[in-house]
Amino acid sequence: EDQVTQSPEALRLQEGESSSLNCSYTVSGLRGLFWYRQDPGKGPEFLFTLYSAGEEKEKERLKATLTKKESFLHITAPKPEDSATYLCAVGGNNDMRFGAGTRLTVKP
Amino acid sequence: GAVVSQHPSRVICKSGTSVKIECRSLDFQATTMFWYRQFPKQSLMLMATSNEGSKATYEQGVEKDKFLINHASLTLSTLTVTSAHPEDSSFYICSARPGPRDRTYGYTFGSGTRLTVV
Repeated sequence: EDQVTQSPEALRLQEGESSSLNCSYTVSGLRGLFWYRQDPGKGPEFLFTLYSAGEEKEKERLKATLTKKESFLHITAPKPEDSATYLCAVGGNNDMRFGAGTRLTVKP
Repeated sequence: GAVVSQHPSRVICKSGTSVKIECRSLDFQATTMFWYRQFPKQSLMLMATSNEGSKATYEQGVEKDKFLINHASLTLSTLTVTSAHPEDSSFYICSARPGPRDRTYGYTFGSGTRLTVV
């Protein structure tokens, strides 16, 4: 069964303090690794899809990378508005399996 | 971009009543939609896969008679929580993917429905 493990569970950063979130996965055949942002009381907002090891994607202060066993979401010089829960999921054709998420808090 | 609309956003109902939640794809057709449940500070748990024109596929442990799913058109799936009880209180979210092989977008999610059963 596909498994997705995210760490840390929670992360508190000062504004401007760069860091990385981790997503480790075990799947029978990776059909896509997804990163989402979720604000309280709202549905997840799509950020990135990665399909193969070595792939990288960037969006503003966020950069996602992928290896055969894990993915990292790098946050450069975060701002308070980056505070949210970041979810990682694996899947593709039929469904997605989510990790428990990392709750990021960025203090001004 | 692809938009999924979910309604209602919040609903409070009495124990024993049924509640229907709608999920619409606004600017694309979705032959498959997915229903998730999320408890506070926990991740999304896939409940079922909704297939247009056919029966839904339920995940292990999800009661299909309690969580009725209907996918009558390519843009609408509904989840009905029947005979709701307080333990059914949760955040329900639907999702769909624009195109069966569209690699540009990930799955698009609705805004979720907060169900409270009193």
